Amino acid sequence: KNQVEQSPQSLIILEGKNCTLQCNYTVSPFSNLRWYKQDTGRGPVSLTIMTFSENTKSNGRYTATLDADTKQSSLHITASQLSDSASYICVVSALGGGYNKLIFGAGTRLAVHP
Amino acid sequence: DAGVTQSPTHLIKTRGQQVTLRCSPKSGHDTVSWYQQALGQGPQFIFQYYEEEERQRGNFPDRFSGHQFPNYSSELNVNALLLGDSALYLCASSTDSYSGNTIYFGEGSWLTVV
Repeated sequence: KNQVEQSPQSLIILEGKNCTLQCNYTVSPFSNLRWYKQDTGRGPVSLTIMTFSENTKSNGRYTATLDADTKQSSLHITASQLSDSASYICVVSALGGGYNKLIFGAGTRLAVHP
Repeated sequence: DAGVTQSPTHLIKTRGQQVTLRCSPKSGHDTVSWYQQALGQGPQFIFQYYEEEERQRGNFPDRFSGHQFPNYSSELNVNALLLGDSALYLCASSTDSYSGNTIYFGEGSWLTVV
């Protein structure tokens, strides 16, 4: 069964600190992995997209890594800001019938405190 | 360039009623997907439309139906509403679900069933 699991479920950090969010997946056949940021009550916003051959991708203070062998990904946030408080969702695309099917994780709720 | 727009933003319906949610994809996008997101959960895939046809469907009952118009806009219809249908309904658009292109989400429609 295609699944995406994220950890931790929630996280509280102080402003300026770094943090790392984890994503483990059992999705086959794998197409790509995406990280989204979702503010409360808003739609998700794309942070990164990585294909099988990419190990790391950065978007400002966000850096995503992908280990396709162990089927793990991480999202590292550097020098956190209050505006980073949101849910971070890992989304893995599975190929099937010629189409991408997106499998969403439940997300990690990050709270950045001053 | 407007992104993905959804309407209405919030609505309250009574159990047993029917609801129609609307989505206009980002300019140049021809593929529209609908997701249901319960509070504290990741989005769950409902279905995807391409060239006015339902191309993929998730594990949702037939009470959930949709339509895509020639201008690529889309509607989600839910009949015989249940209390459990209360959720944020997200529309996402892309150019082609087969590639690793960015998928854009709208801000969602909050549905409360009472």
